[in-house]
Amino acid sequence: AQSVTQLGSHVSVSEGALVLLRCNYSSSVPPYLFWYVQYPNQGLQLLLKYTSAATLVKGINGFEAEFKKSETSFHLTKPSAHMSDAAEYFCAVSNTGTASKLTFGTGTRLQVTL
Amino acid sequence: EPEVTQTPSHQVTQMGQEVILRCVPISNHLYFYWYRQILGQKVEFLVSFYNNEISEKSEIFDDQFSVERPDGSNFTLKIRSTKLEDSAMYFCASSGRDRRLSGANVLTFGAGSRLTVL
Repeated sequence: AQSVTQLGSHVSVSEGALVLLRCNYSSSVPPYLFWYVQYPNQGLQLLLKYTSAATLVKGINGFEAEFKKSETSFHLTKPSAHMSDAAEYFCAVSNTGTASKLTFGTGTRLQVTL
Repeated sequence: EPEVTQTPSHQVTQMGQEVILRCVPISNHLYFYWYRQILGQKVEFLVSFYNNEISEKSEIFDDQFSVERPDGSNFTLKIRSTKLEDSAMYFCASSGRDRRLSGANVLTFGAGSRLTVL
């Protein structure tokens, strides 16, 4: 079985501040890990993915995430938040044996304030 | 950029009625999926579909649910007799990677269909 835990259902940062969204995973086999973003009234958009290559993964819109096996973590960061980053962010894991099925976390709503 | 389109965006129905949610996946994709998100809860996997048959389904996907690809372009989710607890946002997704290849499928999601059962 595999799962992800996202700490913090709501995160608020000031514009220009560091964004850190936490994700810890549990998987009995080497995982594939993903971050998706959902803007209001839109679908889930892939931000970045980890597929056992480089542990530091760069995604769209200046986001990146680092896979840390020792901590079973895949936290999402962005050095400087922008108002347009306000959205819901979902961490997800899939099993390398059944790559199609994603198991999502509960999501973290990011609020960016002036 | 290719996208997955879903219709309707919002449907309100009475308990016990049949509902069909429609999806047009990306044209050259091979795998199709339905996920749902009950308000305030996780996005949950329902079913995956490949080569005109279900490849995997979750416990949620019981006999009330069915999927089909009637015409080679649309991918539908049917709920035969809706219950109050079926109220959720339903997401369709598709992916293109051949399962014989290594590496993760990257799913492209639609904007979702919000189902409200009264």
